[in-house]
Amino acid sequence: TQLLEQSPQFLSIQEGENLTVYCNSSSVFSSLQWYRQEPGEGPVLLVTVVTGGEVKKLKRLTFQFGDARKDSSLHITAAQPGDTGLYLCAGVTSGTYKYIFGTGTRLKVLA
Amino acid sequence: DAGVTQSPTHLIKTRGQQVTLRCSPKSGHDTVSWYQQALGQGPQFIFQYYEEEERQRGNFPDRFSGHQFPNYSSELNVNALLLGDSALYLCASSLAGTGSTGELFFGEGSRLTVL
Repeated sequence: TQLLEQSPQFLSIQEGENLTVYCNSSSVFSSLQWYRQEPGEGPVLLVTVVTGGEVKKLKRLTFQFGDARKDSSLHITAAQPGDTGLYLCAGVTSGTYKYIFGTGTRLKVLA
Repeated sequence: DAGVTQSPTHLIKTRGQQVTLRCSPKSGHDTVSWYQQALGQGPQFIFQYYEEEERQRGNFPDRFSGHQFPNYSSELNVNALLLGDSALYLCASSLAGTGSTGELFFGEGSRLTVL
Protein backbone atom coordinates (compact mmCIF):
# COMPACT_ATOMS: atom_id res chain seq x y z
CA THR A 1 0.00 0.00 0.00
CA GLN A 2 1.40 3.37 -0.99
CA LEU A 3 1.40 5.86 1.82
CA LEU A 4 2.22 9.53 1.98
CA GLU A 5 2.98 10.59 5.51
CA GLN A 6 2.80 14.26 6.35
CA SER A 7 4.32 15.99 9.34
CA PRO A 8 3.43 17.70 11.47
CA GLN A 9 -0.22 16.70 11.70
CA PHE A 10 -1.19 19.95 13.39
CA LEU A 11 0.54 23.30 13.53
CA SER A 12 -0.58 26.45 15.32
CA ILE A 13 1.66 29.49 14.88
CA GLN A 14 1.61 33.23 15.20
CA GLU A 15 1.29 35.54 12.21
CA GLY A 16 4.72 36.32 10.77
CA GLU A 17 6.36 33.02 11.71
CA ASN A 18 7.90 30.63 9.19
CA LEU A 19 6.99 26.95 8.90
CA THR A 20 7.79 23.82 6.93
CA VAL A 21 5.50 20.90 6.20
CA TYR A 22 6.93 17.56 5.10
CA CYS A 23 5.50 14.84 2.87
CA ASN A 24 7.33 11.49 2.86
CA SER A 25 6.91 8.13 1.19
CA SER A 26 8.84 5.00 0.35
CA SER A 27 7.36 5.09 -3.16
CA VAL A 28 8.68 6.97 -6.16
CA PHE A 29 6.22 9.38 -7.72
CA SER A 30 6.16 10.67 -11.28
CA SER A 31 4.65 13.88 -9.99
CA LEU A 32 3.61 15.40 -6.71
CA GLN A 33 1.04 18.06 -6.02
CA TRP A 34 0.16 20.22 -3.04
CA TYR A 35 -3.43 21.20 -2.32
CA ARG A 36 -5.04 23.40 0.32
CA GLN A 37 -8.49 22.63 1.67
CA GLU A 38 -10.63 25.01 3.68
CA PRO A 39 -13.62 23.97 5.81
CA GLY A 40 -16.67 23.05 3.74
CA GLU A 41 -14.75 23.09 0.48
CA GLY A 42 -12.84 20.69 -1.72
CA PRO A 43 -9.04 20.83 -2.03
CA VAL A 44 -7.58 23.44 -4.37
CA LEU A 45 -4.32 22.90 -6.24
CA LEU A 46 -1.34 25.02 -5.19
CA VAL A 47 1.47 23.51 -7.26
CA THR A 48 2.68 20.51 -9.26
CA VAL A 49 6.30 19.33 -9.22
CA VAL A 50 7.60 16.67 -11.57
CA THR A 51 11.40 16.72 -11.59
CA GLY A 52 13.59 15.43 -8.76
CA GLY A 53 15.14 18.38 -6.92
CA GLU A 54 12.67 20.82 -8.44
CA VAL A 55 11.88 23.96 -6.45
CA LYS A 56 8.85 26.13 -7.16
CA LYS A 57 7.85 29.37 -5.52
CA LEU A 58 4.35 30.78 -5.20
CA LYS A 59 4.58 34.15 -3.44
CA ARG A 60 5.47 33.24 0.18
CA LEU A 61 5.22 29.49 -0.44
CA THR A 62 8.21 27.41 -1.56
CA PHE A 63 7.77 23.82 -2.70
CA GLN A 64 10.54 21.29 -3.17
CA PHE A 65 10.48 17.80 -4.69
CA GLY A 66 13.09 15.43 -3.30
CA ASP A 67 15.94 14.28 -5.54
CA ALA A 68 14.65 10.69 -5.46
CA ARG A 69 11.04 11.84 -6.02
CA LYS A 70 9.89 10.16 -2.82
CA ASP A 71 9.36 13.24 -0.67
CA SER A 72 8.45 16.89 -0.78
CA SER A 73 8.33 19.92 1.45
CA LEU A 74 6.29 23.09 1.65
CA HIS A 75 7.81 26.13 3.32
CA ILE A 76 5.74 29.19 4.18
CA THR A 77 7.50 32.45 4.97
CA ALA A 78 5.85 35.04 7.20
CA ALA A 79 2.61 33.11 7.62
CA GLN A 80 -0.66 35.02 7.54
CA PRO A 81 -4.12 34.13 8.92
CA GLY A 82 -5.25 33.58 5.32
CA ASP A 83 -2.83 30.64 5.11
CA THR A 84 -4.97 28.71 7.62
CA GLY A 85 -6.24 25.43 6.21
CA LEU A 86 -5.56 21.74 5.63
CA TYR A 87 -2.50 21.20 3.44
CA LEU A 88 -2.44 17.98 1.45
CA CYS A 89 0.27 16.47 -0.71
CA ALA A 90 -0.76 14.07 -3.47
CA GLY A 91 1.45 11.82 -5.56
CA VAL A 92 0.95 9.88 -8.75
CA THR A 93 3.03 6.81 -9.59
CA SER A 94 3.96 5.94 -13.14
CA GLY A 95 1.40 3.85 -14.99
CA THR A 96 -1.50 4.68 -12.70
CA TYR A 97 -4.27 7.21 -12.73
CA LYS A 98 -4.88 7.54 -9.01
CA TYR A 99 -3.62 10.38 -6.90
CA ILE A 100 -2.49 9.17 -3.47
CA PHE A 101 -3.18 11.84 -0.89
CA GLY A 102 -1.15 12.41 2.23
CA THR A 103 -2.47 12.33 5.76
CA GLY A 104 -2.73 16.14 5.83
CA THR A 105 -1.31 18.98 7.92
CA ARG A 106 -3.79 21.25 9.60
CA LEU A 107 -2.33 24.76 9.90
CA LYS A 108 -3.76 27.54 12.01
CA VAL A 109 -2.18 30.98 11.85
CA LEU A 110 -3.15 33.28 14.70
CA ALA A 111 -3.36 37.04 14.19
CA ASP B 1 -17.80 28.57 -16.21
CA ALA B 2 -19.38 26.15 -13.73
CA GLY B 3 -17.01 24.21 -11.57
CA VAL B 4 -17.59 20.74 -10.18
CA THR B 5 -21.01 20.39 -8.61
CA GLN B 6 -22.08 17.63 -6.23
CA SER B 7 -25.41 16.66 -4.77
CA PRO B 8 -26.70 16.27 -2.19
CA THR B 9 -24.47 18.35 0.08
CA HIS B 10 -25.55 16.56 3.24
CA LEU B 11 -27.48 13.39 3.90
CA ILE B 12 -28.24 11.03 6.75
CA LYS B 13 -28.83 7.32 6.28
CA THR B 14 -29.16 4.31 8.55
CA ARG B 15 -27.06 1.17 8.52
CA GLY B 16 -27.94 -1.22 5.71
CA GLN B 17 -29.43 1.44 3.46
CA GLN B 18 -28.14 2.43 0.05
CA VAL B 19 -27.06 5.87 -1.13
CA THR B 20 -26.42 7.53 -4.50
CA LEU B 21 -24.24 10.61 -4.81
CA ARG B 22 -24.04 12.69 -7.97
CA CYS B 23 -21.34 14.76 -9.62
CA SER B 24 -21.21 17.08 -12.62
CA PRO B 25 -17.64 17.72 -13.75
CA LYS B 26 -16.13 21.06 -14.68
CA SER B 27 -17.08 22.09 -18.20
CA GLY B 28 -14.81 20.42 -20.73
CA HIS B 29 -13.54 17.73 -18.37
CA ASP B 30 -13.95 14.08 -19.30
CA THR B 31 -12.60 12.23 -16.28
CA VAL B 32 -14.21 11.87 -12.86
CA SER B 33 -12.59 10.49 -9.71
CA TRP B 34 -14.27 9.83 -6.39
CA TYR B 35 -12.61 10.14 -3.01
CA GLN B 36 -13.66 9.39 0.56
CA GLN B 37 -12.39 11.78 3.21
CA ALA B 38 -12.81 10.83 6.85
CA LEU B 39 -12.81 13.62 9.39
CA GLY B 40 -9.34 15.13 9.80
CA GLN B 41 -7.72 12.88 7.20
CA GLY B 42 -6.61 13.07 3.59
CA PRO B 43 -8.89 11.89 0.77
CA GLN B 44 -8.77 8.18 -0.11
CA PHE B 45 -9.13 7.20 -3.78
CA ILE B 46 -12.25 5.15 -4.50
CA PHE B 47 -12.23 4.92 -8.31
CA GLN B 48 -11.89 6.86 -11.53
CA TYR B 49 -14.20 6.91 -14.54
CA TYR B 50 -13.25 7.73 -18.09
CA GLU B 51 -15.21 7.06 -21.28
CA GLU B 52 -18.03 5.64 -19.16
CA GLU B 53 -15.83 2.90 -17.72
CA GLU B 54 -14.08 2.39 -14.40
CA ARG B 55 -10.43 2.94 -15.30
CA GLN B 56 -8.86 2.37 -11.90
CA ARG B 57 -10.05 1.39 -8.46
CA GLY B 58 -8.72 1.92 -4.97
CA ASN B 59 -8.97 -0.42 -1.99
CA PHE B 60 -12.72 -0.22 -1.49
CA PRO B 61 -15.17 -3.14 -1.34
CA ASP B 62 -17.64 -3.97 -4.07
CA ARG B 63 -20.34 -2.20 -2.05
CA PHE B 64 -18.93 0.92 -3.67
CA SER B 65 -19.88 1.19 -7.31
CA GLY B 66 -20.16 3.96 -9.83
CA HIS B 67 -21.25 5.04 -13.22
CA GLN B 68 -20.33 7.67 -15.75
CA PHE B 69 -22.85 8.98 -18.25
CA PRO B 70 -22.27 10.14 -21.83
CA ASN B 71 -22.30 13.78 -20.65
CA TYR B 72 -19.37 12.88 -18.31
CA SER B 73 -21.42 13.28 -15.13
CA SER B 74 -21.04 10.50 -12.60
CA GLU B 75 -22.73 8.72 -9.74
CA LEU B 76 -21.29 6.95 -6.72
CA ASN B 77 -23.43 4.23 -5.17
CA VAL B 78 -22.81 2.66 -1.80
CA ASN B 79 -24.85 -0.38 -0.74
CA ALA B 80 -25.36 -1.92 2.69
CA LEU B 81 -24.11 1.17 4.48
CA LEU B 82 -21.90 0.75 7.54
CA LEU B 83 -21.21 3.25 10.30
CA GLY B 84 -17.66 3.52 8.98
CA ASP B 85 -18.93 4.84 5.66
CA SER B 86 -19.67 8.16 7.33
CA ALA B 87 -17.40 10.64 5.59
CA LEU B 88 -17.13 13.48 3.11
CA TYR B 89 -17.31 12.13 -0.43
CA LEU B 90 -15.44 14.26 -2.91
CA CYS B 91 -15.75 14.25 -6.66
CA ALA B 92 -12.81 15.50 -8.72
CA SER B 93 -12.79 16.15 -12.43
CA SER B 94 -9.82 16.37 -14.76
CA LEU B 95 -8.81 16.09 -18.38
CA ALA B 96 -7.60 12.68 -19.48
CA GLY B 97 -4.94 14.17 -21.73
CA THR B 98 -3.15 15.87 -18.83
CA GLY B 99 -1.87 12.56 -17.51
CA SER B 100 -0.15 12.41 -14.15
CA THR B 101 0.40 16.15 -13.87
CA GLY B 102 -3.17 17.21 -14.43
CA GLU B 103 -4.96 19.32 -11.88
CA LEU B 104 -7.85 17.78 -10.01
CA PHE B 105 -10.80 20.13 -9.64
CA PHE B 106 -12.87 19.20 -6.61
CA GLY B 107 -16.47 19.79 -5.72
CA GLU B 108 -17.48 20.82 -2.22
CA GLY B 109 -18.39 17.25 -1.39
CA SER B 110 -21.34 15.29 -0.07
CA ARG B 111 -21.24 14.71 3.66
CA LEU B 112 -22.76 11.34 4.50
CA THR B 113 -23.69 10.40 8.03
CA VAL B 114 -24.65 6.80 8.73
CA LEU B 115 -26.56 6.17 11.96
